[in-house]
Amino acid sequence: DQQVKQNSPSLSVQEGRISILNCDYTNSMFDYFLWYKKYPAEGPTFLISISSIKDKNEDGRFTVFLNKSAKHLSLHIVPSQPGDSAVYFCAASANQAGTALIFGKGTTLSVSS
Amino acid sequence: GAGVSQSPSNKVTEKGKDVELRCDPISGHTALYWYRQRLGQGLEFLIYFQGNSAPDKSGLPSDRFSAERTGESVSTLTIQRTQQEDSAVYLCASSFTGTSSYNEQFFGPGTRLTVL
Repeated sequence: DQQVKQNSPSLSVQEGRISILNCDYTNSMFDYFLWYKKYPAEGPTFLISISSIKDKNEDGRFTVFLNKSAKHLSLHIVPSQPGDSAVYFCAASANQAGTALIFGKGTTLSVSS
Repeated sequence: GAGVSQSPSNKVTEKGKDVELRCDPISGHTALYWYRQRLGQGLEFLIYFQGNSAPDKSGLPSDRFSAERTGESVSTLTIQRTQQEDSAVYLCASSFTGTSSYNEQFFGPGTRLTVL
């Protein structure tokens, strides 16, 4: 029973356009959400996070939106760049350090120039 | 070093052998986590350490898996009598657990374990 779902295994976008990666969760106890980026043969790199008390968090080209009623979050990358090509993982946890992160299966983003 | 380090980066072993995987967390991070990623899957939580104790071992898949942490630093994940289904990338992460900290975990590069 997957608690965090990324239903799109892959996404292809042209350079300069917006990339939108989606994530759904089922556990209403989750109140902290993170996005990680992973290149081949490397560990995941923290990208951006959002607490359930907010509905938007922005950091440069990256914005995460949270819709608690729909149990849905999305990561927007604009403008997309070829270096953004990677696997993106959505993760969720209780907003408390020291708890396990529950990960989705990831979405592979390909940005073409 | 500045980040989480893991060794070895790759390990090939024969079915039935024991393996030890090592993790050096970021200095000052009191929390340490082990995850694994099987092919085509997301990261799967294994165990969490706070200091040298493990309050959450719920993700360890069987009693063949164990882990320890010493000196609130290095951790070792041991898999006894390895099976082919143990083949995966084993990832270690660490985080700071101060009273105002959020659950941002920082990952090492992983150890790719292949059981023949």
